[in-house]
Amino acid sequence: DVKVTQSSRYLVKRTGEKVFLECVQDMDHENMFWYRQDPGLGLRLIYFSYDVKMKEKGDIPEGYSVSREKKERFSLILESASTNQTSMYLCASSTGGKNIQYFGAGTRLSVL
Amino acid sequence: AQTVTQSQPEMSVQEAETVTLSCTYDTSESDYYLFWYKQPPSRQMILVIRQEAYKQQNATENRFSVNFQKAAKSFSLKISDSQLGDAAMYFCAYRSPLGGSNTGKLIFGQGTTLQVKP
Repeated sequence: DVKVTQSSRYLVKRTGEKVFLECVQDMDHENMFWYRQDPGLGLRLIYFSYDVKMKEKGDIPEGYSVSREKKERFSLILESASTNQTSMYLCASSTGGKNIQYFGAGTRLSVL
Repeated sequence: AQTVTQSQPEMSVQEAETVTLSCTYDTSESDYYLFWYKQPPSRQMILVIRQEAYKQQNATENRFSVNFQKAAKSFSLKISDSQLGDAAMYFCAYRSPLGGSNTGKLIFGQGTTLQVKP
């Protein structure tokens, strides 16, 4: 089975802190994605990566950056956390062919 | 730009009954893919069913089936013989065909929370 693992289920951070959300997949997928999930808004794409060291902005990249140094790992970085970044963050990976996205369990981030 | 709309924030169904979740989308593309994902409470999002736009036949996966109306840009999910384990948030999603800079990113609807009553 495909496994996408997010390092934390719950995080509480202070305004202004630098926050790292880590995601690891074990299926050698080329593509990885970071989404933000908010009530009534569904999932919105923050960033995605289609190869090591490659990244593309999604629909809401402001306030975020990403890093993909190895194929299996995709990190989301909040340079200076703000209260409006309190949300559920979901990581996903996919490969060619049917290109189905497989999701991690999510990280619920609270910024106080 | 493509958009996906789920107009039902919440739905409920009696166990063993049938329920239909609605989804509409807007696109100018002729070839694309549509998905229904299920997110159980505090658990991972999983794929329920997938439909390729070029296929006229509606996709089916056990108790789950879709009604794909391409001209109307409608993609509803029917759950037959509902079970308590079907209780979850359901998301409809759209994906353009792969190619060029398109790496298969999904555009999601707002989600529908399904309650199953025993």
